[in-house]
Amino acid sequence: AQTVTQSQPEMSVQEAETVTLSCTYDTSENNYYLFWYKQPPSRQMILVIRQEAYKQQNATENRFSVNFQKAAKSFSLKISDSQLGDTAMYFCAFTIGGTSYGKLTFGQGTILTVHP
Amino acid sequence: DAGVIQSPRHEVTEMGQEVTLRCKPISGHNSLFWYRQTMMRGLELLIYFNNNVPIDDSGMPEDRFSAKMPNASFSTLKIQPSEPRDSAVYFCASSQGLAFQETQYFGPGTRLLVL
Repeated sequence: AQTVTQSQPEMSVQEAETVTLSCTYDTSENNYYLFWYKQPPSRQMILVIRQEAYKQQNATENRFSVNFQKAAKSFSLKISDSQLGDTAMYFCAFTIGGTSYGKLTFGQGTILTVHP
Repeated sequence: DAGVIQSPRHEVTEMGQEVTLRCKPISGHNSLFWYRQTMMRGLELLIYFNNNVPIDDSGMPEDRFSAKMPNASFSTLKIQPSEPRDSAVYFCASSQGLAFQETQYFGPGTRLLVL
């Protein structure tokens, strides 16, 4: 079975500082995609960043970057220069290859609060 | 380009009433997904379509739930009769296809409250 674990239910950070959200996953598949979604208070689910398992280079999107450790099945999200607008719930998720479709398996989420 | 559109954004109804949620996927996307989000169960996939055809509805909780996709630009999720435990946020998402590398883009959600 595919599972995603986010061990930090809540985190907080001061504006302009850096924060890292952790995520571990479990799958027996070798080919898969990993995603981080952000859900602000508006409840809209917004894609933050994605990473293909076969790519060793960590993905980066402006202030957001990941630390992908395939052997450890770890996929953490680093937010640099945190902004008040980053306050949201963050979900780690993945889809696996080798099956008929890309079902998204989500973690439980981490609530991030950015303080001024 | 407009994102996934859902209506209504909020719905309050009484137990036993029929509820219909609507979704318009991103133009050109061939796959559509319905999710439900609750505090207790997190995000659950209810059903998904590919090229307007339902592929997997194993996540639909009960026969009270049904979903249709009559054309490439419209889908509905219906609950009849509704119950208080159906209260949740319902998301629609779409992607270009079903391949695992495709990104799913979510709509703003419909917050349903059944009294």
